[in-house]
Amino acid sequence: DVKVTQSSRYLVKRTGEKVFLECVQDMDHENMFWYRQDPGLGLRLIYFSYDVKMKEKGDIPEGYSVSREKKERFSLILESASTNQTSMYLCASNTGTGFRGANVLTFGAGSRLTVL
Amino acid sequence: GESVGLHLPTLSVQEGDNSIINCAYSNSASDYFIWYKQESGKGPQFIIDIRSNMDKRQGQRVTVLLNKTVKHLSLQIAATQPGDSAVYFCAENGNNRLAFGKGNQVVVIP
Repeated sequence: DVKVTQSSRYLVKRTGEKVFLECVQDMDHENMFWYRQDPGLGLRLIYFSYDVKMKEKGDIPEGYSVSREKKERFSLILESASTNQTSMYLCASNTGTGFRGANVLTFGAGSRLTVL
Repeated sequence: GESVGLHLPTLSVQEGDNSIINCAYSNSASDYFIWYKQESGKGPQFIIDIRSNMDKRQGQRVTVLLNKTVKHLSLQIAATQPGDSAVYFCAENGNNRLAFGKGNQVVVIP
């Protein structure tokens, strides 16, 4: 019954490595989101996408990029990982156009990334 | 900038008692609010939502109250159970995106 799947639950990477975090949703949702979650800071929006090949910056896009080649898949890319990108990464999706934030987000289980 | 926040970082509750989790928001333009529950090792899960034209909404064992006058949101959990131990987030929908509070840990004491 899993609806938002993040391919990696735990990753350990070295500084400077390129990192791909993959997310797939099976609900035919238009909108997909990437957040990072850090103690004391809550969830912060990195990037989101409301259509295939479309992307918009969230609140903390620096050091990240995204790719949405298919409606069901939204990838987060760290071109050159740094230690301050050690975090829990959460993918989410929702439906709707127009006021896109108006609908409930469904989250994946998260990907915990450690950068050494 | 405007943000969502929670008053208490940790709430310890005796099993069977009622829990109340509070959240203050500052964006008076927000018209939609959501409570999420996040258990250890899992992503946040939707609990209940409320729109700004309501002041109360009930679900199964949960009630959300919205006081727009003081920009306050609360989640009440009736007859708290061990499975309710989790971090609870409020979120507000303003400026065309969800803004999340930092989270409030609820610990249920058996």
